[in-house]
Amino acid sequence: EVQLVESGGGLIQPGGSLRVSCAASGFSFSSYNMNWVRQAPGKGLEWVAYISAYSSTKSYADSVKGRFTISRDNGKNSLYLQMSSLRADDTAVYYCAREFGSGTYYFDLWGQGTPVTVSS
Amino acid sequence: EIVLTQSPSTLSLSPGERATLSCRASQNIHTRLAWYQQKHGQSPRLLIYDASNRATGVPARFSGSGSGTDFTLTISSLEPEDFAVYYCQQRSTWPIFGQGTKLEIK
Repeated sequence: EVQLVESGGGLIQPGGSLRVSCAASGFSFSSYNMNWVRQAPGKGLEWVAYISAYSSTKSYADSVKGRFTISRDNGKNSLYLQMSSLRADDTAVYYCAREFGSGTYYFDLWGQGTPVTVSS
Repeated sequence: EIVLTQSPSTLSLSPGERATLSCRASQNIHTRLAWYQQKHGQSPRLLIYDASNRATGVPARFSGSGSGTDFTLTISSLEPEDFAVYYCQQRSTWPIFGQGTKLEIK
């Protein structure tokens, strides 16, 4: 089955760090660019970060630049998001999303999401 | 930064009716626009890409149109499973989503 499964979310104090992961299966993970997209409670979707298939290109939303780092391990079919200096407004469900065709920046496969809550 | 404005915020219709959802971009984005459906408690689903192309497996009752700054998602005859939140997304710069339109049962 073609799927993405996120893990690693949880409750973290402001200023803390957390790494969320995404396990891919059923497709050739190393052939696809990948992204993280988040959704705050009751709010819309916000793109967070992008990584190309072989990690040569990474980009970030201004709201997380300098605090979040996207990475991947093609040998493990896994995508990661290292989050640091977390703030209350980082509270959201974090989705990993596959890019639909290189360079399209559309997302054709999404995981179920992992919730991250930043609170003291 | 390009801003996408969706209207209406909420649309109340009955099954069998036609739904028309709008997305307006603050700058010309040509046809670099997608539409997603998100049902309650689920992750988003790609419906339309490049303004008018249906994604794999999307029923023919969903259609997209527009170019430049004005875009429309049309659902020709609403099925019960179509009631959800719909987001447009542009890709001219980094990905940016509209704020969403909630399609609810009247």
